[in-house]
Amino acid sequence: AQKVTQAQTEISVVEKEDVTLDCVYETRDTTYYLFWYKQPPSGELVFLIRRNSFDEQNEISGRYSWNFQKSTSSFNFTITASQVVDSAVYFCALSLDSNYQLIWGAGTKLIIKP
Amino acid sequence: AAGVIQSPRHLIKEKRETATLKCYPIPRHDTVYWYQQGPGQDPQFLISFYEKMQSDKGSIPDRFSAQQFSDYHSELNMSSLELGDSALYFCASSLSGGGTYEQYFGPGTRLTVT
Repeated sequence: AQKVTQAQTEISVVEKEDVTLDCVYETRDTTYYLFWYKQPPSGELVFLIRRNSFDEQNEISGRYSWNFQKSTSSFNFTITASQVVDSAVYFCALSLDSNYQLIWGAGTKLIIKP
Repeated sequence: AAGVIQSPRHLIKEKRETATLKCYPIPRHDTVYWYQQGPGQDPQFLISFYEKMQSDKGSIPDRFSAQQFSDYHSELNMSSLELGDSALYFCASSLSGGGTYEQYFGPGTRLTVT
């Protein structure tokens, strides 16, 4: 069975601090895809990144970076120099080639205090 | 860039009534997904369509039905509404099914059943 675990329910940091959101996944498939989505207080779901199981390269996009490690089945997300606008719920998700649905983690609520 | 369009954005219905939610995918996207998100929860996959055929089915109640039309827009029909159906309903679209392409989400329809 497939599963995504985001053990951190809520994280609160002061602006400009770095913060890492953890994501651990479970699947027996060899081909799979991992995603991060952001859900700000306004409610929309914003796509951040997609990674396939054959690409373990880390990715950096501005203040955002992602660390994918198959050895530990983790796909962690780091925000450097956090800003108040980063406050949101962040979801990690998994999908397989064999089906169409996203399997979601429970989400991590990130609060950035000024 | 064009995004996924959902209508209506807000809907208030009474118990036992019916509701129809509409979704217009990003142009050239052939796959549509429906998700239900309760307060403080992660999105739950309901159903998906690829090229107008149902491609995957999740935890969609029998009281709900959906279809994708020839212009690729999709409608989610909900009958005999219950209080527990109150949630945010998201539609997402992608270029193709499976995890190969990321899903882009619409702004959601907030359904309140009284």
